[in-house]
Amino acid sequence: SQKIEQNSEALNIQEGKTATLTCNYTNYSPAYLQWYRQDPGRGPVFLLLIRENEKEKRKERLKVTFDTTLKQSLFHITASQPADSATYLCALLSNFGNEKLTFGTGTRLTIIP
Amino acid sequence: NAGVTQTPKFRVLKTGQSMTLLCAQDMNHEYMYWYRQDPGMGLRLIHYSVGEGTTAKGEVPDGYNVSRLKKQNFLLGLESAAPSQTSVYFCASRRQGKRSNQPQHFGDGTRLSIL
Repeated sequence: SQKIEQNSEALNIQEGKTATLTCNYTNYSPAYLQWYRQDPGRGPVFLLLIRENEKEKRKERLKVTFDTTLKQSLFHITASQPADSATYLCALLSNFGNEKLTFGTGTRLTIIP
Repeated sequence: NAGVTQTPKFRVLKTGQSMTLLCAQDMNHEYMYWYRQDPGMGLRLIHYSVGEGTTAKGEVPDGYNVSRLKKQNFLLGLESAAPSQTSVYFCASRRQGKRSNQPQHFGDGTRLSIL
């Protein structure tokens, strides 16, 4: 069966360091992978999208990589700040026909001042 | 620009009661979705709609019904609430785009407790 795993439920990082979150998937051939941020009591907010033929995407302090051989995406936040503390979700669209996203369970990131 | 608005924000129901959750979007999006989010389970798709007057089942549709009579509104109904439907419900919308390369825009959720 198709499965998405975000390896860490929770991750604590010292302020100023780079936070790296992992999203692994099995039995998918995703066309796109998206990353969202979710704050407590709020809905997810879209951050970045990366296509299957792209290796890397950047947006300000955010960087996403997509390795279809390893079936893995890495999400990096450089020069992390306490305001980056949130839960981060990855989501996949399979290129086998349907238009629905499947979400991982998320990684709760805490940036320690 | 309000984006996606969900009503109500909180609700407590007794087992067997019915209710309707309302989602409204002002972005003229074609696609709309209802998810539930439970601890350790992530977001799971209940029903979705690709346009006015159309709906389709998602991953966990049992016990729910939906309607999309107007493009901007997507209603989620619980016919006979059960404790297993205690959850946080999120609505999302997105523009029509090839192969879903459009991001989803989410509301802030409805927290529903069934006693």
